[in-house]
Amino acid sequence: SQTIHQWPATLVQPVGSPLSLECTVEGTSNPNLYWYRQAAGRGLQLLFYSVGIGQISSEVPQNLSASRPQDRQFILSSKKLLLSDSGFYLCAWSQGRGDEKLFFGSGTQLSVL
Amino acid sequence: KQEVTQIPAALSVPEGENLVLNCSFTDSAIYNLQWFRQDPGKGLTSLLLIQSSQREQTSGRLNASLDKSSGRSTLYIAASQPGDSATYLCAVTPSSGYALNFGKGTSLLVTP
Repeated sequence: SQTIHQWPATLVQPVGSPLSLECTVEGTSNPNLYWYRQAAGRGLQLLFYSVGIGQISSEVPQNLSASRPQDRQFILSSKKLLLSDSGFYLCAWSQGRGDEKLFFGSGTQLSVL
Repeated sequence: KQEVTQIPAALSVPEGENLVLNCSFTDSAIYNLQWFRQDPGKGLTSLLLIQSSQREQTSGRLNASLDKSSGRSTLYIAASQPGDSATYLCAVTPSSGYALNFGKGTSLLVTP
């Protein structure tokens, strides 16, 4: 069966520090991978998605970047965090473009102070 | 731009009641619609997925319907239980592109 791992679960970082969140998927190959952010009182916002190794699409301009160094690994990064980067970050995967269910990781609660 | 609205924002019902959660979307050009459940501080769990050509999907006590032409979907929960307490979100996949559009969710509390 397929599983998705996301870490860390919680993270407190000072403004201006770097960020690296990692997500890995097991039990499938060539998944579509996604990074979402959920801010308090707002809906989920798609940040990045990837349909293959090295292929990254950004949905919104921001202080963050994403990379996919391996087929089942997706990394969210920042060189310098802003206060506005605080939120709940969720990694997700699907098999195929929108014709399969979307499966989410357990999320990372990021607080930038 | 697709907008997804969920009503009500919060709902409290006694155990055993049947209930309906509503989702509406402004652009009927969708690929599918999904209902998710989110427990506090956790990720989302997919409950039901309805393809744009389908009218409804059922899983246990859950039934989701889709009326694409009117831009509406409902999630029906039968015989609610305290364990159903969570936030329920609907999301539509556009006909083109990858960005699912999520509603803000309905926070459900089922009291014993």
